[in-house]
Amino acid sequence: DAGVTQSPTHLIKTRGQQVTLRCSPKSGHDTVSWYQQALGQGPQFIFQYYEEEERQRGNFPDRFSGHQFPNYSSELNVNALLLGDSALYLCASAWRGRGRFSTEAFFGQGTRLTVV
Amino acid sequence: AQRVTQPEKLLSVFKGAPVELKCNYSYSGSPELFWYVQYSRQRLQLLLRHISRESIKGFTADLNKGETSFHLKKPFAQEEDSAMYYCALSPNSGGSNYKLTFGKGTLLTVNP
Repeated sequence: DAGVTQSPTHLIKTRGQQVTLRCSPKSGHDTVSWYQQALGQGPQFIFQYYEEEERQRGNFPDRFSGHQFPNYSSELNVNALLLGDSALYLCASAWRGRGRFSTEAFFGQGTRLTVV
Repeated sequence: AQRVTQPEKLLSVFKGAPVELKCNYSYSGSPELFWYVQYSRQRLQLLLRHISRESIKGFTADLNKGETSFHLKKPFAQEEDSAMYYCALSPNSGGSNYKLTFGKGTLLTVNP
């Protein structure tokens, strides 16, 4: 099991452009969360997807959107990129099933996005 | 709103010395607290969670609700403990799957 995989590993975009980041969860996991980690900061929660729906959202503008596919993989889309969007974007997966409790969240290596 | 504060950005100790990484939180309910660790060039991984009451790699952490703290301790630091440590809070008792609020992290360096 490769664990949580993210692509691409690095990306450079120009201000105003749009970007799509991808995440494949760990085998057996059904829930994907996305985090933004700016330099020198801890990860900040963007949103979480479960059963192909956004379930929780952090304090991020609508420029940040996502999607979860039937195979549980997920995409993070950011429109109208700003210089301040430059950060490491982390994906975390876990198994939630239909119960209230869930397993530990496993993190991917992240995608380093640079906006110039 | 929830907040996690790690007052030390950097912490340097010698091998064999005790180490304590501080974490304070603010949350009105009963949160679940975690410590995550990131070793050099590795991904973020869970070290321990307060509900487990385990000792992982010699580390322990006790939730003090009165002081709203969750400090991470190890009696004898090892060089391989050098890493970035993040304290995190989840508002739900449903495990680390839920929205995590992280502190800014403490970089621990254990010198030989």
